[in-house]
Amino acid sequence: EDKVVQSPLSLVVHEGDTVTLNCSYEVTNFRSLLWYKQEKKAPTFLFMLTSSGIEKKSGRLSSILDKKELFSILNITATQTGDSAIYLCAVEALLSGAGSYQLTFGKGTKLSVIP
Amino acid sequence: DGGITQSPKYLFRKEGQNVTLSCEQNLNHDAMYWYRQDPGQGLRLIYYSQIVNDFQKGDIAEGYSVSREKKESFPLTVTSAQKNPTAFYLCASSRNSGGTQETQYFGPGTRLLVL
Repeated sequence: EDKVVQSPLSLVVHEGDTVTLNCSYEVTNFRSLLWYKQEKKAPTFLFMLTSSGIEKKSGRLSSILDKKELFSILNITATQTGDSAIYLCAVEALLSGAGSYQLTFGKGTKLSVIP
Repeated sequence: DGGITQSPKYLFRKEGQNVTLSCEQNLNHDAMYWYRQDPGQGLRLIYYSQIVNDFQKGDIAEGYSVSREKKESFPLTVTSAQKNPTAFYLCASSRNSGGTQETQYFGPGTRLLVL
């Protein structure tokens, strides 16, 4: 059974801190790993990672994938209160016999940034 | 603007009642998905459809039904057989070109409550 495990489950930091969120996975037929940010309602897409060692950046957020060790990290530097959200990691894998792909989500990391 | 819409925002279900959640997209995406989110858990796949008039069961399809008569629409019916329907329901879509899955984009969600 495919598994995606995120840690920590929750995190409280002060504005300006740097945080690292972790996502480890065990899937067969891995294709990609995705990070989403969920604030009040639906998740919004942050990054898609398919290759090991290539960092993706968007402003203060960055992410990298290690396909050998089967994990990814999401870094947020100089955190702001607007970064408070649940960060979801999802792994895309081929469904055996179905010829299609499925996303398996982790439980998420709840980040709270206090002024 | 292109996007995914879900309605209603809140839905109340009485015991023994079937209810239908709407999901529409004008992104010209081939694939559409329904997820359920419960507190403290990751998103779980209910049903997905890669093409019109075809759909597949996800991890927790029991008590749910779907149809895909049009590319733009993928309604989800929560039947009376679903004994624990209270949850946040998210619809997503992706391009799904060439047998591979593109990034999924999510609608705003519908919160279903049982009276």
